[in-house]
Amino acid sequence: QLQLQESGPGLVKPSETLSLTCTVSGDSISSSPYYWAWIRLPPGKGLDWIGSISSSGGTYYSPSLKTRVTISVDTSTNHFSLSLSSVTAADTAVYYCARSKYSGSYLDFWGQGTLVTVSS
Amino acid sequence: QSVLTQPPSVSGAPGLRVTISCTGSSSNIGAGYDVYWYQLLPGTAPKLLIYGNDYRPSGVPDRFSGSKSGTSGSLDITGLQPEDEADYYCQSYDSSLSATVFGGGTKLTVL
Repeated sequence: QLQLQESGPGLVKPSETLSLTCTVSGDSISSSPYYWAWIRLPPGKGLDWIGSISSSGGTYYSPSLKTRVTISVDTSTNHFSLSLSSVTAADTAVYYCARSKYSGSYLDFWGQGTLVTVSS
Repeated sequence: QSVLTQPPSVSGAPGLRVTISCTGSSSNIGAGYDVYWYQLLPGTAPKLLIYGNDYRPSGVPDRFSGSKSGTSGSLDITGLQPEDEADYYCQSYDSSLSATVFGGGTKLTVL
């Protein structure tokens, strides 16, 4: 059974960089034809797609975040990561990692999410 | 402001039926891109309910069904149960943005 688990700091200071990791178990990222995505849910707002990456490293980013976002994959440890720079309070959200069949497709497995608060 | 428009809330009595709409445009749903639906319950991983407009993953009850017409998609829930009380989101792809897009979410209350 595929499982995804987000991890990282729950509190980040304004202007700093938010870094999260998603550990995948039950599937090998390196041999998988799937894409691996990050999505967030700000308090009181709707889901917001951040971006996705293929096992070969091809990336797709949200136009509104692409200047601040980097998604990378580490096939040796079977995890992928999110880096979001120059954060503000507007980046406070529950961050989810998920798997998709291809970029733009449905997300069939999700992690439980991790709350990241941006505050000094 | 979400690219896909959903009603903020819907409600229904147990056993009855509700429909949640998802309105897009000619650059997403109207361009032929599929509509997907998710259920979000507090503290749990989001759950895929519908893919490919009207297909249910294994394990999703047949009380949940999806459809698509023109620039809109819909999620029907029949035989409402208390455990259906959750937030529901639609998703598609937008060719103008070259990005995955979501609706603003709909809170379902089972009266």
